[in-house]
Amino acid sequence: GENVEQHPSTLSVQEGDSAVIKCTYSDSASNYFPWYKQELGKGPQLIIDIRSNVGEKKDQRIAVTLNKTAKHFSLHITETQPEDSAVYFCAACSTSGTYKYIFGTGTRLKVLA
Amino acid sequence: NAGVMQNPRHLVRRRGQEARLRCSPMKGHSHVYWYRQLPEEGLKFMVYLQKENIIDESGMPKERFSAEFPKEGPSILRIQQVVRGDSAAYFCASSSQSSPAQGGYGYTFGSGTRLTVV
Repeated sequence: GENVEQHPSTLSVQEGDSAVIKCTYSDSASNYFPWYKQELGKGPQLIIDIRSNVGEKKDQRIAVTLNKTAKHFSLHITETQPEDSAVYFCAACSTSGTYKYIFGTGTRLKVLA
Repeated sequence: NAGVMQNPRHLVRRRGQEARLRCSPMKGHSHVYWYRQLPEEGLKFMVYLQKENIIDESGMPKERFSAEFPKEGPSILRIQQVVRGDSAAYFCASSSQSSPAQGGYGYTFGSGTRLTVV
């Protein structure tokens, strides 16, 4: 069935360093890939997304890359800050049917001051 | 715009009771999705609804769980005869009619309902 694998499960970086989270999806019909940030006790918040007709997208310190051939997509956070500490989820969505998301298992990012 | 509103934020039920979780989508959003998150795990799709219609319930257990999105009022996720394994955070999300792949916006999630079955 549809599956999204996410790595690493935990990631600690020093403040100011970069963080990279990688995801792999199985459904070749997936064409929309959002990333969510979830802070403790809160709902997931969309931070960036990418569509299948684009290879890279950047928004200030956050960027996402997509390799459709390899079915890989990655989140890059530069100049990390303590407030970036949270759990990050990738997701894949195929809009050929319903718009349901298949989520990765999450990455707990800790930015050390 | 108040965003996606879920209530209650916390719900405690004894085994065998019923749990009713409510979700009011963002203004202008006609698509509602329910997801379940077990502790330390990702979000699992349960059901996708539009007004008065269940579009996809492939992730919802066949027994004890039901969902509705009436013409008027919030979407309701109902769990009958709850068991300890139902303890989880239940998130509702809404989106507009447009497909996110064709330029529409992705989901907006609510803050969730944390269900504890004792």
